[in-house]
Amino acid sequence: TAGITQAPTSQILAAGRSMTLRCTQDMRHNAMYWYRQDLGLGLRLIHYSNTAGTTGKGEVPDGYSVSRANTDDFPLTLASAVPSQTSVYFCASSDMAGGPDTQYFGPGTRLTVL
Amino acid sequence: GQNIDQPTEMTATEGAIVQINCTYQTSGFNGLFWYQQHAGEAPTFLSYNVLDGLEEKGRFSSFLSRSKGYSYLLLKELQMKDSASYLCAVRQGDYKLSFGAGTTVTVRA
Repeated sequence: TAGITQAPTSQILAAGRSMTLRCTQDMRHNAMYWYRQDLGLGLRLIHYSNTAGTTGKGEVPDGYSVSRANTDDFPLTLASAVPSQTSVYFCASSDMAGGPDTQYFGPGTRLTVL
Repeated sequence: GQNIDQPTEMTATEGAIVQINCTYQTSGFNGLFWYQQHAGEAPTFLSYNVLDGLEEKGRFSSFLSRSKGYSYLLLKELQMKDSASYLCAVRQGDYKLSFGAGTTVTVRA
């Protein structure tokens, strides 16, 4: 199976423009997450979703929005990009079926905002 | 939020053992994870501890002491392919994880 896919792999974006980062999983996991990873700061949670139709804010949600119309897809939208949103973005999912509820990560999207 | 501390960098020789420490301060502790991340790639799951003690998985072991807010990841018989960043992550209450900044391990021949 593909697991989790993200698109695009990388993108250069002009400040003020909008962009949607796509994330799709084929594992039928209930929960999905968006993180950004910056040098020296580690992974920080932007938004999450427990199940289709519900979303929640993470540690750094400002400037980002998400939707969860179905189980498989969890897009992240930057309405008006700013240079501080330059980062590597990772999508993850977990099944929330008990046990460790391990999160599995997609390959990431490298975004540069100029 | 949570305070998760781990060393920034460690260097070791091929075939040796390296121990990466992680300390955390949290309420409602509900599990600790270790992930491996090679440069330019996604984090991949290594281990999970929720009870005190040692979990062994091949060359990698992870230890947890909840009373001390302390964990370590032990990498034995180091190989060049073990050069990567190792991320400590703590779950507090529900399913959300908080990550440390990561420890970059460099294995030298």
